Amino acid sequence: NAGVTQTPKFRILKIGQSMTLQCTQDMNHNYMYWYRQDPGMGLKLIYYSVGAGITDKGEVPNGYNVSRSTTEDFPLRLELAAPSQTSVYFCASSSLSDTEAFFGQGTRLTVV
Amino acid sequence: EDQVTQSPEALRLQEGESSSLNCSYTVSGLRGLFWYRQDPGKGPEFLFTLYSAGEEKEKERLKATLTKKESFLHITAPKPEDSATYLCAVQGDTGRRALTFGSGTRLQVQP
Repeated sequence: NAGVTQTPKFRILKIGQSMTLQCTQDMNHNYMYWYRQDPGMGLKLIYYSVGAGITDKGEVPNGYNVSRSTTEDFPLRLELAAPSQTSVYFCASSSLSDTEAFFGQGTRLTVV
Repeated sequence: EDQVTQSPEALRLQEGESSSLNCSYTVSGLRGLFWYRQDPGKGPEFLFTLYSAGEEKEKERLKATLTKKESFLHITAPKPEDSATYLCAVQGDTGRRALTFGSGTRLQVQP
């Protein structure tokens, strides 16, 4: 199993550009999450989803949007990139029965 | 609001020198306390889940324990390959299942 796969691994954006961070999981997990991790800080929840068609905001949702049209995919959209969005982004998923979350390898985003 | 505080921020050990990492937490209705390992440039890797005070879990040189207010990750006779950042997280009894993370402890084990 591939687990949680994120693309791209690295990206540099200019201020005001937009992009979509892709996340897909092959474990048939209902729950999916997007976190960001800034240097020396813990992971902060951006958005989460409890199943296809259902999404909700986390702690730091401003400047981001998500959609969940299938169980497998949970893309994160940045519409107008700002330097404050420079961070490492992690996607994760978990099942109904197990509480632990499994993480992807991350996307390192720099906004200049 | 759930909160997690980890200490120390960084720890340098000699190979074979045992120590403990601390995770203090406040949460409304603990569903689980989690320990993850994170290597540079990688995503967090799951280590343990603890569900109730008094519970202990072990994996190789690592042992995690839980009280009502804190958790400890004990590292016995560490090796250089144990060098990583160790993250603690809690899951409260909300429906979203999301984790609240501490800022981690960076462990360096020198040969």
